[in-house]
Amino acid sequence: KNEVEQSPQNLTAQEGEFITINCSYSVGISALHWLQQHPGGGIVSLFMLSSGKKKHGRLIATINIQEKHSSLHITASHPRDSAVYICAVGGAGSYQLTFGKGTKLSVIP
Amino acid sequence: NAGVTQTPKFQVLKTGQSMTLQCAQDMNHNSMYWYRQDPGMGLRLIYYSASEGTTDKGEVPNGYNVSRLNKREFSLRLESAAPSQTSVYFCASSGTGGSIMSNQPQHFGDGTRLSIL
Repeated sequence: KNEVEQSPQNLTAQEGEFITINCSYSVGISALHWLQQHPGGGIVSLFMLSSGKKKHGRLIATINIQEKHSSLHITASHPRDSAVYICAVGGAGSYQLTFGKGTKLSVIP
Repeated sequence: NAGVTQTPKFQVLKTGQSMTLQCAQDMNHNSMYWYRQDPGMGLRLIYYSASEGTTDKGEVPNGYNVSRLNKREFSLRLESAAPSQTSVYFCASSGTGGSIMSNQPQHFGDGTRLSIL
């Protein structure tokens, strides 16, 4: 079973700061997902990547397959970015995802 | 666009009662999933349905049953609720066409908060 570790568990930032959330996993994967869970509870898929880098607005996700590591970056952070960010990995040929415990981000005005 | 719809949003049960959580998606997705989310733990898969007509156990299936009623609907049943099943339950769906693997984005419902006394 893949083990997924996220760091940090909690993160407080001032508005405008550059933020990095890390995710490491133990076994080779076919894809890695970044998800956002809002304070109200809803979960939204942000990125799915298997190599390289993806960018959407102020969010950037990178993955290093050899090092089994991914990072989620938020540039020019804003209070509306406050949420729990969840990393999940999927194995080749599998329907199942293994989820990290999440990183709780609070952005203070 | 409705996406994934879960009902009910909140429910309180007594130990031993039964209930069914409903989930429906309108994105023509092949695969559907039921997860539970508990404090301090990642989302854990209870059951999944890779395609219409099939269901399989996930990581924590004990105490639950599922039915894939048709391509749109996937229900989760608690036959005899226990306090350990107090949790937030999420339904998700993914995959169109021939893509039924975990390298497809999953779309989540808003969750059901279930408390068992």
